[in-house]
Amino acid sequence: ETGVTQTPRHLVMGMTNKKSLKCEQHLGHNAMYWYKQSAKKPLELMFVYNFKEQTENNSVPSRFSPECPNSSHLFLHLHTLQPEDSALYLCASGRVMDTGELFFGEGSRLTVL
Amino acid sequence: GENVEQHPSTLSVQEGDSAVIKCTYSDSASNYFPWYKQELGKRPQLIIDIRSNVGEKKDQRIAVTLNKTAKHFSLHITETQPEDSAVYFCAASPTGANNLFFGTGTRLTVIP
Repeated sequence: ETGVTQTPRHLVMGMTNKKSLKCEQHLGHNAMYWYKQSAKKPLELMFVYNFKEQTENNSVPSRFSPECPNSSHLFLHLHTLQPEDSALYLCASGRVMDTGELFFGEGSRLTVL
Repeated sequence: GENVEQHPSTLSVQEGDSAVIKCTYSDSASNYFPWYKQELGKRPQLIIDIRSNVGEKKDQRIAVTLNKTAKHFSLHITETQPEDSAVYFCAASPTGANNLFFGTGTRLTVIP
């Protein structure tokens, strides 16, 4: 299944590095999301983009910078991260104003040393 | 904002037995309640959902019930099989929102 594709699947970075996570959806959706998944915590919503416009920033630190150039692509730019930012970052897509199913990618497992 | 609580955090059952996972939510405006299953190393995938105009929904061995008055909903899996072993997440979505608020997850282990 290649509905929502995330790259890289695994990433190890130092606290001074700059890296990016990429998400691409082939489902014709117009809403895209970043979620953070940490052990023993709920899936935490980070950002929502509707029709390429950011509609929600859930108090995410500025060291995480999202970018949505079009409805099919979503990036998460990372810089000067902390070890506690190590987690699985999940991208999802859906339809704007359609309270319904979200389709998730496989996630990018990030480790910050 | 919406707050979803989920119990238990871990659940072990013998193969063939039933499993029940319960969630509560705080926002009375929530009207969509999906359940996602996440197998080890895989993406969360929707297994069943229910909307606030329905009290119960069933799909083969899986059923979900919703009590809007009490603001809780539950997932029921009957005749469990080893392949049901996974982490299950409940979620709620308020009216007009197109994002989901998730519970903390339940790790279900089905013992053969």
